[in-house]
Amino acid sequence: GNSVTQMEGPVTLSEEAFLTINCTYTATGYPSLFWYVQYPGEGLQLLLKATKADDKGSNKGFEATYRKETTSFHLEKGSVQVSDSAVYFCALRANTGNQFYFGTGTSLTVIP
Amino acid sequence: DSGVTQTPKHLITATGQRVTLRCSPRSGDLSVYWYQQSLDQGLQFLIQYYNGEERAKGNILERFSAQQFPDLHSELNLSSLELGDSALYFCASSKTPGTGGEKLFFGSGTQLSVL
Repeated sequence: GNSVTQMEGPVTLSEEAFLTINCTYTATGYPSLFWYVQYPGEGLQLLLKATKADDKGSNKGFEATYRKETTSFHLEKGSVQVSDSAVYFCALRANTGNQFYFGTGTSLTVIP
Repeated sequence: DSGVTQTPKHLITATGQRVTLRCSPRSGDLSVYWYQQSLDQGLQFLIQYYNGEERAKGNILERFSAQQFPDLHSELNLSSLELGDSALYFCASSKTPGTGGEKLFFGSGTQLSVL
């Protein structure tokens, strides 16, 4: 079946620290992979995506590379800001069927 | 603003009651998804509709039902409510049902509290 596993939080970092949030997946076929972000009191919004192996998604300084050999899509940012404090969700959409599968979310708090 | 509208924002009710959550998708989007977000279970897919028809079903309880109307808005009906149904319910929309790289647009959710 399809599933997403992401590292548990919460994660607390100082401003300008390096961020990695691990995400691995299980899927039949060749899924598309996404990172969504949820700021306090808001719905989820797309942060970045990759639709095929070796693709790199990037946005707002965040990036993630679709690694088929390790079935991973780790989220990274070189220097986090207080405004990056949010919950981050890794997700996949299988190429058959219509469902998105989300990880449980990782809460990030960045302190000044 | 994602363009997806959910009402009400907050709902407080008692066990055994029935509530209806409403979602208006982005203009032009034909597909609507419902998700339940709770602290212990993360984001759980409930059900999806595309152009008025049920397209996919996830972990939706029999006490819950949904539909999508001709104007494409959707309603999620929750009945015989239990304390454990307290959660944030999100609606999301997309243009099509099956494009792999297509993203979802989420509403800001309805916070349901069952007392």
